[in-house]
Amino acid sequence: TQLLEQSPQFLSIQEGENLTVYCNSSSVFSSLQWYRQEPGEGPVLLVTVVTGGEVKKLKRLTFQFGDARKDSSLHITAAQPGDTGLYLCAGVNYGQNFVFGPGTRLSVLP
Amino acid sequence: DAGVIQSPRHEVTEMGQEVTLRCKPISGHNSLFWYRQTMMRGLELLIYFNNNVPIDDSGMPEDRFSAKMPNASFSTLKIQPSEPRDSAVYFCASTARTGGSYEQYFGPGTRLTVT
Repeated sequence: TQLLEQSPQFLSIQEGENLTVYCNSSSVFSSLQWYRQEPGEGPVLLVTVVTGGEVKKLKRLTFQFGDARKDSSLHITAAQPGDTGLYLCAGVNYGQNFVFGPGTRLSVLP
Repeated sequence: DAGVIQSPRHEVTEMGQEVTLRCKPISGHNSLFWYRQTMMRGLELLIYFNNNVPIDDSGMPEDRFSAKMPNASFSTLKIQPSEPRDSAVYFCASTARTGGSYEQYFGPGTRLTVT
């Protein structure tokens, strides 16, 4: 069974601070995705990383896929209250086998 | 496009009753997934369909749960009889192929409370 771990589980920071959250597995994935989920809504896809070592930027968010395609990180620069939410990583295997991590719950205080 | 549509948004029922959750995927998406989310267990895959055919139902908890997809634009998840431990948020998602990967689009979820 493939499992994804995410750390930290909870994170509370002040507006303007930087942060990094992690997604780790002992398994190799063909790609990895990050989702953000706000209260009362479904997860929304932020990014897909496919190549080992790949780095993608989405405004203040930087995503990196590990060289071995087993782990990933999400870095947020100058966090804002609108970044508050549950961040889920999902490993994707060949085909449509999605494995979701437990999530990091981020709270950005004004 | 309206996105993935789920109904009802909230359902409160008594133990032993039948519950039916409904989902309309995004038009043109060939795969549909049902998930359950709780604080304790996170997001769990229950079943997924490809071209209306169930592909993986290994996440369906037990015989009380059943899912159907009679056509490309509609799916149901049924729980009969329902139990308090079934209380959770149930999400439906459909997928689109983008480049070399698939992207999931989630509905707003159905919050189920079984008393």
